[in-house]
Amino acid sequence: RKEVEQDPGPFNVPEGATVAFNCTYSNSASQSFFWYRQDCRKEPKLLMSVYSSGNEDGRFTAQLNRASQYISLLIRDSKLSDSATYLCVVNGNDYKLSFGAGTTVTVRA
Amino acid sequence: DAGITQSPRHKVTETGTPVTLRCHQTENHRYMYWYRQDPGHGLRLIHYSYGVKDTDKGEVSDGYSVSRSKTEDFLLTLESATSSQTSVYFCAISEEIYNEQFFGPGTRLTVL
Repeated sequence: RKEVEQDPGPFNVPEGATVAFNCTYSNSASQSFFWYRQDCRKEPKLLMSVYSSGNEDGRFTAQLNRASQYISLLIRDSKLSDSATYLCVVNGNDYKLSFGAGTTVTVRA
Repeated sequence: DAGITQSPRHKVTETGTPVTLRCHQTENHRYMYWYRQDPGHGLRLIHYSYGVKDTDKGEVSDGYSVSRSKTEDFLLTLESATSSQTSVYFCAISEEIYNEQFFGPGTRLTVL
C-alpha cells in the first residue's frame, strides 16, 4: 500500500464553485501534514500546513481526520488561477515526507 | 521565496555520459533532498542529506550518487546516464526532516 494516496481527478469545476478532495495516508503515527500546489512544469509550492483542529487560509480549508487517516482540502469560490495539481504530503515512519501523486483541478470560465 | 537555485535548468546528454546537477541554497537549512518526478509516479526521493558529508538513500537511489561538501551545496551525479533517467529533477530543503520542504525550480534532463 502506498504511504499517501490521492484521487488523481481531474476535477473540472466552473468559476465560483466549491471543490473538495481527500487524501488517505497509511501511517497512523504521522504528525506532519501539508498541501502543496504544483503548476504545470513548475516546482511544488507549499499551500498550507494541516493542523489537528483544521485550518483556513482565505478560500482554502484543510481538515485532518486521524481516526480515518485522511486529510482534505476544500477550495471555495474557485478562480481560474486555482487550476493546478494539488499534492498531499505526510511524514512516514522514518519522519521523511511522502508525497502523493496529486489531484488535478481545472477551473473553467 | 526560499533561496534555492538549481543548475543547469535544462540538459540534453547521451547515454553513458556522466552528469552532475547542482543545488544551491542560501537558507542555511540542515536538510537537502533530490527528487525525480515522472508522469504517473509523482515525486520520488533519490537521496537526501542531513548535514555536511552526511547523506542517505531514498527509494530510487540506484544509478545516482550525491555529495555535500558545504552546507549550501548538494550535488547529484549520474555516473553513466541511461534513458530511464530522463526526468525532471527537483532539489528541496527543510530545517528538520518532518518540516515543510521548499523546492528549487527543477532541472529538466533528457538522456538520448
